[in-house]
Amino acid sequence: KNEVEQSPQNLTAQEGEFITINCSYSVGISALHWLQQHPGGGIVSLFMLSSGKKKHGRLIATINIQEKHSSLHITASHPRDSAVYICAVSTSGTYKYIFGTGTRLKVLA
Amino acid sequence: ETGVTQTPRHLVMGMTNKKSLKCEQHLGHNAMYWYKQSAKKPLELMFVYSLEERVENNSVPSRFSPECPNSSHLFLHLHTLQPEDSALYLCASSQSMGLVQFFGPGTRLTVL
Repeated sequence: KNEVEQSPQNLTAQEGEFITINCSYSVGISALHWLQQHPGGGIVSLFMLSSGKKKHGRLIATINIQEKHSSLHITASHPRDSAVYICAVSTSGTYKYIFGTGTRLKVLA
Repeated sequence: ETGVTQTPRHLVMGMTNKKSLKCEQHLGHNAMYWYKQSAKKPLELMFVYSLEERVENNSVPSRFSPECPNSSHLFLHLHTLQPEDSALYLCASSQSMGLVQFFGPGTRLTVL
């Protein structure tokens, strides 16, 4: 079992739908990261969270430290949101990221 | 150029070839990382450099040899690779270890 688990692995949505991607982890963390990877391969950091909630445009990320769970929400989804979304945690006391396997999102027009 | 750049973007090599991947960051960061991303698997950390000193060598086979000549440049020298080494190789940098990492576009490597 991976220390960072994401669900679902694959998700297809219609344009305009509200999307939720979940991440659960089993280790002590100093921060949790949501990353976006487009088909070309490059990775962009979306959020770094250690508590509560962050919002950027149509993206919202929440974290519940007690439950060791985070969600990434996309409101009013658009085909350009199609990408792989990766959850990663920075473990307490180290610089290392532990990555989930990613959620492949496809938004249809 | 801004951010983190990687060259080449695509590389096909035979098992007896020697090649090098290059990463350059224009962010003034002190830490640089090499990751391997294979299909259906999470990213794997390979090497970490901080202030040009290697601080992590994550049980990577010796056919992968990193080099960090200065804080802006990171190389991954490849020799006698195996087909299972085919993957996306990503470079990242951060202001210092433990802070947010900025990723390059990756090099898609195919070993024949």
